[in-house]
Amino acid sequence: SQKIEQNSEALNIQEGKTATLTCNYTNYSPAYLQWYRQDPGRGPVFLLLIRENEKEKRKERLKVTFDTTLKQSLFHITASQPADSATYLCALDRSGGYNKLIFGAGTRLAVHP
Amino acid sequence: DGGITQSPKYLFRKEGQNVTLSCEQNLNHDAMYWYRQDPGQGLRLIYYSQIVNDFQKGDIAEGYSVSREKKESFPLTVTSAQKNPTAFYLCASPGGQGNTEAFFGQGTRLTVV
Repeated sequence: SQKIEQNSEALNIQEGKTATLTCNYTNYSPAYLQWYRQDPGRGPVFLLLIRENEKEKRKERLKVTFDTTLKQSLFHITASQPADSATYLCALDRSGGYNKLIFGAGTRLAVHP
Repeated sequence: DGGITQSPKYLFRKEGQNVTLSCEQNLNHDAMYWYRQDPGQGLRLIYYSQIVNDFQKGDIAEGYSVSREKKESFPLTVTSAQKNPTAFYLCASPGGQGNTEAFFGQGTRLTVV
């Protein structure tokens, strides 16, 4: 069956360091992968999308990589700040472009001053 | 301002009751989706609608029903047949076919009392 996995344990890092979150998937050949941020008790907010033919995507302090051979995406936050503390979700489209997304359970990031 | 509005934010249901969660969007998007989020799990797709007057079952549709009579509205009814309804419910709308972000509402937390 189709499966998407993210580190279930919380990631604790010091302010100013780079946070790296992992998303692995099996039994997929997704056309693209998305990353979302979710704060407690709120809906997810879209951050970045990376397509299968893109190795890397950047947006300000965020960087996403996509390795279709390893079936893995890495999400980096450089110069992390306490305000970056949240849960980060990765999502894949399993419907060939019709936006039927399947989500990972998310990784909780805590950035300490 | 544009977006997705879910109401109520908190909802309490007694055993054997049906309850309806509201989702309204002013983004002029065709597609709307309902997800359920439980602790430690990814978002799971309940129902989705790609166009007015049409909707499809997702992965966990049993015990739920929807309607799509207007483009702007996609209400979800949690029926008494749903044996474990306590969860965080999220309504979403992607921007278009393929490669676009999903906009989420702020969620409704349903608790059975």
